Amino acid sequence: ELKVEQNPLFLSMQEGKNYTIYCNYSTTSDRLYWYRQDPGKSLESLFVLLSNGAVKQEGRLMASLDTKARLSTLHITAAVHDLSATYFCAVGSEYGNKLVFGAGTILRVKS
Amino acid sequence: SAVISQKPSRDICQRGTSLTIQCQVDSQVTMMFWYRQQPGQSLTLIATANQGSEATYESGFVIDKFPISRPNLTFSTLTVSNMSPEDSSIYLCSVELPPNRGVWYEQYFGPGTRLTVT
Repeated sequence: ELKVEQNPLFLSMQEGKNYTIYCNYSTTSDRLYWYRQDPGKSLESLFVLLSNGAVKQEGRLMASLDTKARLSTLHITAAVHDLSATYFCAVGSEYGNKLVFGAGTILRVKS
Repeated sequence: SAVISQKPSRDICQRGTSLTIQCQVDSQVTMMFWYRQQPGQSLTLIATANQGSEATYESGFVIDKFPISRPNLTFSTLTVSNMSPEDSSIYLCSVELPPNRGVWYEQYFGPGTRLTVT
């Protein structure tokens, strides 16, 4: 059974600082997703990572995937208040397109 | 990307009643998914809905409680039956776009239906 562990679950950052959110998963997968959710809103797709060594960047966020270690990271560079949200990683099940989500990381960026 | 709408956006329902949630996509998609997000929690897949076949339910979810219809390639409904307060959640549909519409394997989520059962 595919399990996805995300840490930390809560992250309070100062503006301008860097930090990394980690996503570990338990079985082989060919796809990993990062989503952002603002309070009371749906999920916004950030990144889709499909191969070992994949790295994608958008603004202050950079995601990477190591399929051998079954690990993905979401790195935040020089955080700003607008990045405050909950971030989820999700891993595609090998039995189709189903996604198994991590618990989510609540990110709060303080001025 | 895909434009996904859900109706209703929120509802407050009495226990013992049923609510049907609609999900409409702006293009034809093969696979649609229904997720539940309980308060303060992550998302859990309820079922996969493919057009022309019975929905496939995940462990812990049954058709009698969450019947699903998928009459065509742009529409699906999820019914939450015989509701109890434990069913209070956000229910989201999602779709996976075919490769010619965007990034391969991209999955998009609808705005969600916030259900409160009293």
